[in-house]
Amino acid sequence: ETGVTQTPRHLVMGMTNKKSLKCEQHLGHNAMYWYKQSAKKPLELMFVYNFKEQTENNSVPSRFSPECPNSSHLFLHLHTLQPEDSALYLCASSQATGTSGFPYEQYFGPGTRLTVT
Amino acid sequence: GENVEQHPSTLSVQEGDSAVIKCTYSDSASNYFPWYKQELGKGPQLIIDIRSNVGEKKDQRIAVTLNKTAKHFSLHITETQPEDSAVYFCAARGGSTIDNAGGTSYGKLTFGQGTILTVHP
Repeated sequence: ETGVTQTPRHLVMGMTNKKSLKCEQHLGHNAMYWYKQSAKKPLELMFVYNFKEQTENNSVPSRFSPECPNSSHLFLHLHTLQPEDSALYLCASSQATGTSGFPYEQYFGPGTRLTVT
Repeated sequence: GENVEQHPSTLSVQEGDSAVIKCTYSDSASNYFPWYKQELGKGPQLIIDIRSNVGEKKDQRIAVTLNKTAKHFSLHITETQPEDSAVYFCAARGGSTIDNAGGTSYGKLTFGQGTILTVHP
């Protein structure tokens, strides 16, 4: 596997529930990402963290709240989601962005399949 | 922002044949083009990438070509095998911007829509 783990792998939640997705990387990277993957749509970048600082929020609704306590862990807190939020949520990591003229490869976790009922 | 178009959306080939997937991008400042393979129940895995200072890169049965003038790049898989069956995504990294912290960020990856490749034995 890639060295990026995600839990849980599957999650079913009601619209009034609060849940959290967890991501952990064992690659010594300093940048972490959340992506949303919906059927028949390109991967959508949600958030980027560099050295625990959020450097990008791609116009994501406030019902999604990220947290990055350290460079190895990333959380996505979910609250009052909508059925259209059902998707595969992917975490990725890389060396820190913005430190060179070329980017570093992103390594993805297996994803959390989220179903909102 | 960057826009990436990927074609075809589905591709079916016989084992041993070649497969070609094409992507176009819009941001002429883009300088990094990775390809990812996603198998069922797994996250995307990087299989090959190319940077804007080269026109072609090979790794065994996989090759990627880049035409910066025309702003398109392609994935070529030769001697396909059933285990090559998966969804393939291209991506392009756009030019630099100023991030939320005030520093220079060298662009985010924009992904294509994906190609479902099926290799028939």
